[in-house]
Amino acid sequence: EIMLTQSPGTLSLSPGERATLSCRASQSVSSYLAWYQQKPGQAPRLLIYDTSSRATGIPDRFSGSGSGTDFTLTISRLEPEDFAVYYCQHYGSSRTFGQGTKVEIK
Amino acid sequence: EVQLWESGGGLVQPGGSLRLSCAASGFTFSSYAMGWVRQAPGKGLEWVSAITGSGGDTYHADSVKGRFTTSRDNSRNTLYLQMSSLRAEDTAVYYCAKGSTMSRPYYFDCWGQGTLVTVSS
Repeated sequence: EIMLTQSPGTLSLSPGERATLSCRASQSVSSYLAWYQQKPGQAPRLLIYDTSSRATGIPDRFSGSGSGTDFTLTISRLEPEDFAVYYCQHYGSSRTFGQGTKVEIK
Repeated sequence: EVQLWESGGGLVQPGGSLRLSCAASGFTFSSYAMGWVRQAPGKGLEWVSAITGSGGDTYHADSVKGRFTTSRDNSRNTLYLQMSSLRAEDTAVYYCAKGSTMSRPYYFDCWGQGTLVTVSS
């Protein structure tokens, strides 16, 4: 089973700053990597699929990149509504989620 | 608009059984894979199971294999999760999620609001 490790566990930033979240796979996952956002008390929401494609309605301040085993979610300028937990997921040979990165207000 | 509505959660004793349902609307149900993802209190997301659009193939996480069964009724636009031999560690919010395509590989592009399952005596 492919394991996904997200870092950092918590990211403390101010609105307007740039956020860079990492997701590392234990082996190559090709491009089958998605990112989800979850706010307290809410269901997860798809942000990015196929490593770098934005889901419908997702603002362009969210971008995904990477290949093989190393992937990144970047939020170019944090808005107040972006403070949440972010999960990566591999959906190829396995369907594992990373443990999540919490983006909190500094 | 795609909508997913889970039901069937509740309190159950260890060793007991429960069946979750997920009613879907707003898309051609049989054309998409579906899945279940759970989240224990204060924890991250854990993929539980998935089923192809036709229902011909199902996949389960090792943690639930042999205890949980996933099925669908495409005539009723409904997804099911039959859970048996429940353990305390199965306590979680269970989310129903729509796959992006009929069969693998697919990500989950729409999620329900979840139903809470509590396993406790």
